[in-house]
Amino acid sequence: AQSVTQLGSHVSVSEGALVLLRCNYSSSVPPYLFWYVQYPNQGLQLLLKYTTGATLVKGINGFEAEFKKSETSFHLTKPSAHMSDAAEYFCAVSDRHAGGTSYGKLTFGQGTILTVHP
Amino acid sequence: DAGVTQSPTHLIKTRGQQVTLRCSPKSGHDTVSWYQQALGQGPQFIFQYYEEEERQRGNFPDRFSGHQFPNYSSELNVNALLLGDSALYLCASSWINTEAFFGQGTRLTVV
Repeated sequence: AQSVTQLGSHVSVSEGALVLLRCNYSSSVPPYLFWYVQYPNQGLQLLLKYTTGATLVKGINGFEAEFKKSETSFHLTKPSAHMSDAAEYFCAVSDRHAGGTSYGKLTFGQGTILTVHP
Repeated sequence: DAGVTQSPTHLIKTRGQQVTLRCSPKSGHDTVSWYQQALGQGPQFIFQYYEEEERQRGNFPDRFSGHQFPNYSSELNVNALLLGDSALYLCASSWINTEAFFGQGTRLTVV
Protein backbone atom coordinates (compact mmCIF):
# COMPACT_ATOMS: atom_id res chain seq x y z
CA ALA A 1 0.00 0.00 0.00
CA GLN A 2 1.11 3.51 -0.73
CA SER A 3 1.51 6.17 1.93
CA VAL A 4 2.70 9.76 2.10
CA THR A 5 4.27 11.56 5.04
CA GLN A 6 4.57 15.33 5.11
CA LEU A 7 7.00 16.47 7.79
CA GLY A 8 5.67 19.53 9.57
CA SER A 9 1.98 20.32 9.66
CA HIS A 10 2.80 24.04 9.85
CA VAL A 11 5.69 25.93 8.25
CA SER A 12 6.23 29.65 8.76
CA VAL A 13 8.62 31.77 6.67
CA SER A 14 9.28 35.45 6.07
CA GLU A 15 8.46 37.03 2.75
CA GLY A 16 11.46 36.56 0.45
CA ALA A 17 12.81 33.55 2.36
CA LEU A 18 13.27 30.03 1.03
CA VAL A 19 10.26 27.74 1.20
CA LEU A 20 10.93 24.04 1.85
CA LEU A 21 8.05 21.63 2.34
CA ARG A 22 9.01 18.01 2.95
CA CYS A 23 7.36 14.91 1.55
CA ASN A 24 8.35 11.26 1.85
CA TYR A 25 6.45 8.41 0.28
CA SER A 26 6.22 4.68 0.59
CA SER A 27 5.50 2.62 -2.50
CA SER A 28 6.43 -0.81 -3.76
CA VAL A 29 7.04 0.57 -7.25
CA PRO A 30 8.13 4.03 -8.42
CA PRO A 31 4.93 6.05 -8.30
CA TYR A 32 3.72 9.20 -9.91
CA LEU A 33 4.20 12.15 -7.51
CA PHE A 34 2.28 15.39 -7.20
CA TRP A 35 2.09 18.58 -5.20
CA TYR A 36 -1.26 20.33 -4.89
CA VAL A 37 -2.12 23.66 -3.24
CA GLN A 38 -5.42 24.44 -1.53
CA TYR A 39 -6.58 27.94 -0.66
CA PRO A 40 -9.27 28.36 2.02
CA ASN A 41 -12.67 27.00 1.02
CA GLN A 42 -11.42 25.97 -2.39
CA GLY A 43 -10.51 22.80 -4.26
CA LEU A 44 -7.03 21.59 -5.07
CA GLN A 45 -4.81 23.10 -7.73
CA LEU A 46 -1.91 21.18 -9.22
CA LEU A 47 1.49 22.82 -8.68
CA LEU A 48 3.67 20.19 -10.36
CA LYS A 49 4.01 16.49 -11.04
CA TYR A 50 6.70 13.87 -11.60
CA THR A 51 6.03 10.92 -13.84
CA THR A 52 9.23 9.94 -15.64
CA GLY A 53 12.37 11.60 -16.93
CA ALA A 54 14.09 14.57 -15.29
CA THR A 55 13.97 14.30 -11.52
CA LEU A 56 13.88 18.07 -10.98
CA VAL A 57 10.41 19.26 -11.85
CA LYS A 58 9.39 22.88 -12.27
CA GLY A 59 5.83 23.95 -11.61
CA ILE A 60 3.67 27.03 -11.48
CA ASN A 61 4.27 30.12 -9.36
CA GLY A 62 8.03 29.48 -9.11
CA PHE A 63 7.78 26.17 -7.25
CA GLU A 64 9.92 23.15 -8.01
CA ALA A 65 10.45 19.69 -6.55
CA GLU A 66 13.10 17.01 -6.86
CA PHE A 67 12.37 13.29 -6.95
CA LYS A 68 15.01 11.37 -5.01
CA LYS A 69 14.38 7.66 -5.35
CA SER A 70 17.11 6.65 -2.88
CA GLU A 71 15.53 8.84 -0.21
CA THR A 72 11.91 8.20 -1.31
CA SER A 73 11.42 11.95 -1.12
CA PHE A 74 9.75 14.64 -3.21
CA HIS A 75 10.37 17.91 -1.36
CA LEU A 76 8.82 21.15 -2.62
CA THR A 77 10.87 24.35 -2.74
CA LYS A 78 10.56 27.96 -3.78
CA PRO A 79 13.56 30.31 -3.58
CA SER A 80 11.63 33.37 -2.43
CA ALA A 81 8.29 33.27 -0.63
CA HIS A 82 5.50 35.66 -1.50
CA MET A 83 2.52 36.58 0.64
CA SER A 84 0.24 34.97 -1.93
CA ASP A 85 1.93 31.58 -1.29
CA ALA A 86 0.16 31.28 2.06
CA ALA A 87 -2.05 28.20 1.70
CA GLU A 88 -2.15 24.48 2.50
CA TYR A 89 0.04 22.19 0.43
CA PHE A 90 -0.54 18.51 -0.19
CA CYS A 91 1.88 15.92 -1.49
CA ALA A 92 0.27 12.95 -3.24
CA VAL A 93 1.23 9.71 -4.95
CA SER A 94 -0.61 7.75 -7.58
CA ASP A 95 -0.20 4.24 -8.81
CA ARG A 96 0.51 3.61 -12.44
CA HIS A 97 -2.88 2.31 -13.43
CA ALA A 98 -2.81 -1.08 -15.06
CA GLY A 99 -5.64 -0.06 -17.35
CA GLY A 100 -3.32 2.30 -19.18
CA THR A 101 -5.74 5.18 -19.05
CA SER A 102 -5.65 8.01 -16.58
CA TYR A 103 -3.87 7.79 -13.29
CA GLY A 104 -5.29 5.68 -10.51
CA LYS A 105 -6.29 6.89 -7.08
CA LEU A 106 -4.33 9.62 -5.37
CA THR A 107 -3.03 9.01 -1.86
CA PHE A 108 -2.48 12.31 -0.05
CA GLY A 109 -0.37 13.37 2.86
CA GLN A 110 -1.89 15.21 5.81
CA GLY A 111 -0.97 18.59 4.41
CA THR A 112 1.35 21.43 5.42
CA ILE A 113 -0.02 24.88 6.15
CA LEU A 114 2.39 27.54 4.91
CA THR A 115 2.30 30.93 6.62
CA VAL A 116 4.23 33.85 5.12
CA HIS A 117 5.11 36.78 7.35
CA PRO A 118 5.76 40.29 5.99
CA ASP B 1 -13.79 25.87 -20.29
CA ALA B 2 -15.75 25.72 -17.04
CA GLY B 3 -13.43 23.18 -15.46
CA VAL B 4 -14.83 20.70 -12.95
CA THR B 5 -18.11 21.89 -11.47
CA GLN B 6 -19.78 20.52 -8.37
CA SER B 7 -23.20 21.11 -6.91
CA PRO B 8 -24.38 22.11 -4.45
CA THR B 9 -21.56 24.10 -2.83
CA HIS B 10 -22.95 23.72 0.67
CA LEU B 11 -25.44 21.30 2.17
CA ILE B 12 -26.83 20.64 5.63
CA LYS B 13 -28.44 17.28 6.37
CA THR B 14 -29.75 15.46 9.41
CA ARG B 15 -28.36 12.18 10.71
CA GLY B 16 -29.95 9.20 8.98
CA GLN B 17 -30.84 11.11 5.83
CA GLN B 18 -29.54 10.45 2.35
CA VAL B 19 -27.63 12.92 0.17
CA THR B 20 -26.66 13.15 -3.50
CA LEU B 21 -23.75 15.25 -4.70
CA ARG B 22 -23.15 16.02 -8.37
CA CYS B 23 -20.09 16.57 -10.51
CA SER B 24 -19.56 17.66 -14.12
CA PRO B 25 -16.06 16.86 -15.37
CA LYS B 26 -13.78 19.15 -17.30
CA SER B 27 -14.51 19.13 -21.01
CA GLY B 28 -12.86 16.13 -22.70
CA HIS B 29 -12.34 14.19 -19.47
CA ASP B 30 -13.84 10.71 -19.12
CA THR B 31 -12.75 9.62 -15.64
CA VAL B 32 -14.22 10.93 -12.41
CA SER B 33 -12.92 10.36 -8.89
CA TRP B 34 -14.43 11.33 -5.56
CA TYR B 35 -12.58 12.27 -2.39
CA GLN B 36 -13.62 13.05 1.17
CA GLN B 37 -11.65 15.72 3.03
CA ALA B 38 -12.38 15.96 6.74
CA LEU B 39 -11.41 19.14 8.52
CA GLY B 40 -7.65 19.38 8.94
CA GLN B 41 -6.99 16.22 6.94
CA GLY B 42 -5.80 15.35 3.47
CA PRO B 43 -8.35 14.10 0.94
CA GLN B 44 -9.24 10.40 1.14
CA PHE B 45 -10.09 8.48 -2.02
CA ILE B 46 -13.66 7.16 -2.15
CA PHE B 47 -13.94 5.70 -5.67
CA GLN B 48 -13.22 6.26 -9.34
CA TYR B 49 -15.55 5.86 -12.32
CA TYR B 50 -14.61 5.18 -15.91
CA GLU B 51 -16.94 4.13 -18.73
CA GLU B 52 -19.84 4.18 -16.26
CA GLU B 53 -18.21 1.50 -14.12
CA GLU B 54 -16.61 1.78 -10.68
CA ARG B 55 -12.98 1.04 -11.43
CA GLN B 56 -11.33 1.53 -8.05
CA ARG B 57 -12.69 1.92 -4.54
CA GLY B 58 -11.14 3.19 -1.36
CA ASN B 59 -11.84 2.07 2.20
CA PHE B 60 -15.36 3.44 2.51
CA PRO B 61 -18.52 1.55 3.55
CA ASP B 62 -21.27 0.56 1.16
CA ARG B 63 -23.30 3.55 2.34
CA PHE B 64 -21.19 5.43 -0.19
CA SER B 65 -22.21 4.71 -3.75
CA GLY B 66 -21.84 6.42 -7.06
CA HIS B 67 -22.84 6.57 -10.64
CA GLN B 68 -21.41 7.85 -13.88
CA PHE B 69 -23.64 8.89 -16.75
CA PRO B 70 -23.00 8.57 -20.51
CA ASN B 71 -21.98 12.26 -20.63
CA TYR B 72 -19.29 11.43 -18.01
CA SER B 73 -20.94 13.42 -15.22
CA SER B 74 -21.15 11.66 -11.90
CA GLU B 75 -23.10 11.47 -8.66
CA LEU B 76 -22.01 10.50 -5.17
CA ASN B 77 -24.71 9.13 -2.90
CA VAL B 78 -24.38 8.68 0.83
CA ASN B 79 -27.08 6.83 2.76
CA ALA B 80 -27.82 6.79 6.49
CA LEU B 81 -25.71 9.86 7.15
CA LEU B 82 -23.53 9.96 10.26
CA LEU B 83 -22.08 12.98 11.99
CA GLY B 84 -18.66 11.73 10.87
CA ASP B 85 -19.66 12.13 7.24
CA SER B 86 -19.38 15.89 7.64
CA ALA B 87 -16.59 16.91 5.28
CA LEU B 88 -15.63 18.62 2.06
CA TYR B 89 -16.37 16.26 -0.84
CA LEU B 90 -14.13 16.80 -3.82
CA CYS B 91 -14.65 15.60 -7.35
CA ALA B 92 -11.72 15.25 -9.74
CA SER B 93 -11.75 14.51 -13.43
CA SER B 94 -9.02 13.29 -15.72
CA TRP B 95 -8.32 11.77 -19.13
CA ILE B 96 -5.59 9.60 -20.62
CA ASN B 97 -2.22 10.63 -19.19
CA THR B 98 -3.56 13.77 -17.55
CA GLU B 99 -3.42 14.61 -13.92
CA ALA B 100 -6.57 15.06 -11.88
CA PHE B 101 -8.33 18.42 -12.01
CA PHE B 102 -10.38 19.18 -8.91
CA GLY B 103 -13.63 20.99 -8.43
CA GLN B 104 -14.31 23.48 -5.65
CA GLY B 105 -15.98 20.83 -3.55
CA THR B 106 -19.28 20.40 -1.72
CA ARG B 107 -19.25 21.19 2.00
CA LEU B 108 -21.56 18.68 3.72
CA THR B 109 -22.58 19.27 7.30
CA VAL B 110 -24.50 16.54 9.13
CA VAL B 111 -26.37 17.65 12.25
